[in-house]
Amino acid sequence: QSALTQPASVSGSPGQSITISCTGTSSDVGGYNYVSWYQQHPGKAPKLMIYDVSNRPSGVSNRFSGSKSGNTASLTISGLQAEDEADYYCSSYTSSSFHVVFGGGTKLTVL
Amino acid sequence: QVQLQESGPGLVKPSETLSLTCTVSGGSISSYYWSWIRQPAGKGLEWIGRIYTSGSTNYNPSLKSRVTMSVDTSKNQFSLKLSSVTAADTAVYYCASFEDYNQTFDYWGQGTLVTVSS
Repeated sequence: QSALTQPASVSGSPGQSITISCTGTSSDVGGYNYVSWYQQHPGKAPKLMIYDVSNRPSGVSNRFSGSKSGNTASLTISGLQAEDEADYYCSSYTSSSFHVVFGGGTKLTVL
Repeated sequence: QVQLQESGPGLVKPSETLSLTCTVSGGSISSYYWSWIRQPAGKGLEWIGRIYTSGSTNYNPSLKSRVTMSVDTSKNQFSLKLSSVTAADTAVYYCASFEDYNQTFDYWGQGTLVTVSS
């Protein structure tokens, strides 16, 4: 059982927007702005897409955005493209054991 | 651009020790944090632990009793040892760089599959 809760799957059509949630507690997501999001294509290593809740690393499309409200963080992908089909994982610092925890992952299907 | 490459046996017998090494290229391993993360087939990511180039470590509490990490700055490498392995330790193991100031894994190795089986 993962420390952070994500929906198992989401889907959308090309051009649409989707949002993936990541729910934790006040000891992790709600207590710190250290939420990151990773994209993982099949057979590949994860790639950092968002850090510090809403910041994008250089080279990541501005179609990806992040936000947080209370104990829930969200990743929004706008203008869905076929290449966005992948698994997405959130992560957060947790003060309960002073390390990083991941969400269980969300499979994004582009219809 | 920093690149990481995992290496080590792909098959380990139950009760034995899993040993992996990560070689860092394109930059110095010094003054940075380095981590190991694993992913069982079809499942999510699990943080194993991190090591600073001074040798200071932090481990996932659920694995702490079996994990040892070390670093060799002369070879630009860091290593993972996981003892008393079982089939539940079968996974793809990734090494990654870790930014402590914002708790992110910014560069990842390609991953290496380790199977625990007799």
